[in-house]
Amino acid sequence: NAGVTQTPKFRILKIGQSMTLQCAQDMNHNYMYWYRQDPGMGLKLIYYSVGAGITDKGEVPNGYNVSRSTTEDFPLRLELAAPSQTSVYFCASSLDYSGTTEAFFGQGTRLTVV
Amino acid sequence: QKEVEQDPGPLSVPEGAIVSLNCTYSNSAFQYFMWYRQYSRKGPELLMYTYSSGNKEDGRFTAQVDKSSKYISLFIRDSQPSDSATYLCAMTTNAGGTSYGKLTFGQGTILTVHP
Repeated sequence: NAGVTQTPKFRILKIGQSMTLQCAQDMNHNYMYWYRQDPGMGLKLIYYSVGAGITDKGEVPNGYNVSRSTTEDFPLRLELAAPSQTSVYFCASSLDYSGTTEAFFGQGTRLTVV
Repeated sequence: QKEVEQDPGPLSVPEGAIVSLNCTYSNSAFQYFMWYRQYSRKGPELLMYTYSSGNKEDGRFTAQVDKSSKYISLFIRDSQPSDSATYLCAMTTNAGGTSYGKLTFGQGTILTVHP
């Protein structure tokens, strides 16, 4: 059971380039999330999805886009990379939205924009 | 004011010490409280959750919530070098409704337990 898989693990982008961070889960979870983690800042929610075809903005959505065409996949798109998007990105999924339900995280994608 | 404030540390303690990690929050709508552990270069993993004021124990770990003071703590007894990690408090509002399981995290505390 792979859980939540993120690719790539590392990436260096030049300012203005675009890329897609991939996230896939094999637990048949409806709820999926993208967080970014900056040093000393905790994790902040970028976008989330409550099911295939349904997405919504989190706390810090500017500069990002998402789509959810299947239950398994939840890619995050950066259109015009900026140095402020240098961060570690985590994808997470959960079975439901109960406060007692565990969110499972991927291992992260370390992105540097230069 | 941040919704969740966590004592940033870092903390360095000897093996066997009792560790106290703390978070305060301002949003009284938070009802579910979690502690996640994150090893270096890994994703966070759920350590404990609780939703009521009082204490909850799980082995060497005790989670404490005081809703009246908007304060939560995690205590680690007999700390081990394998406990060295970043500890993140996290909170969410009502289950269902519009919360959708969205978590609000503290900044994280880096803990090092040395032999």
